[in-house]
Amino acid sequence: EAGVAQSPRYKIIEKRQSVAFWCNPISGHATLYWYQQILGQGPKLLIQFQNNGVVDDSQLPKDRFSAERLKGVDSTLKIQPAKLEDSAVYLCASSPRDSSGGETQYFGPGTRLLVL
Amino acid sequence: AQSVSQHNHHVILSEAASLELGCNYSYGGTVNLFWYVQYPGQHLQLLLKYFSGDPLVKGIKGFEAEFIKSKFSFNLRKPSVQWSDTAEYFCAGSSNTGKLIFGQGTTLQVKP
Repeated sequence: EAGVAQSPRYKIIEKRQSVAFWCNPISGHATLYWYQQILGQGPKLLIQFQNNGVVDDSQLPKDRFSAERLKGVDSTLKIQPAKLEDSAVYLCASSPRDSSGGETQYFGPGTRLLVL
Repeated sequence: AQSVSQHNHHVILSEAASLELGCNYSYGGTVNLFWYVQYPGQHLQLLLKYFSGDPLVKGIKGFEAEFIKSKFSFNLRKPSVQWSDTAEYFCAGSSNTGKLIFGQGTTLQVKP
């Protein structure tokens, strides 16, 4: 079974530029998560989708971050405009069924973003 | 507010030493608890998880964790570490929404 795919793996941009990350979850997984992991910290949930609907985006900075999962499969996360403090690893994860709390989440390799 | 905290940020052990990494949680109601590991250059992957039932949970590679409700703890243990256990370890909790809240992580360095 293929794992969670993410691209690009690395991205360097200047502040105020825009950037987009892509995630393809494990086939058939209903729930998709985007996490932000700042150096020295644990991952923090940005947004959670179940199929193509948003379950939780309470910690997504909506003035600059947006995410979509239009067909309930792959997803994109965008930052526009980027700030220095957005430098982090952006992790995508998926889980098989509903977001009931007990399921294992499977993580992708992450996209490492550096904002200069 | 829901939170997960890990006591040790950086642990250095020699091979064959015993390991215990601390994790405390603050959740109202039902909580599911997880330990994830990230080996150098690899993805985050699940070591073990607790939902209900036996509070002593066994995971992969000889790891185990004990859920102690009275202490709000879910410490990770391994009786004898190997050099290949060098990694970053994350404790995490979730309620019924699936949202994982992670601790800060503990970097384990095992000296051969």
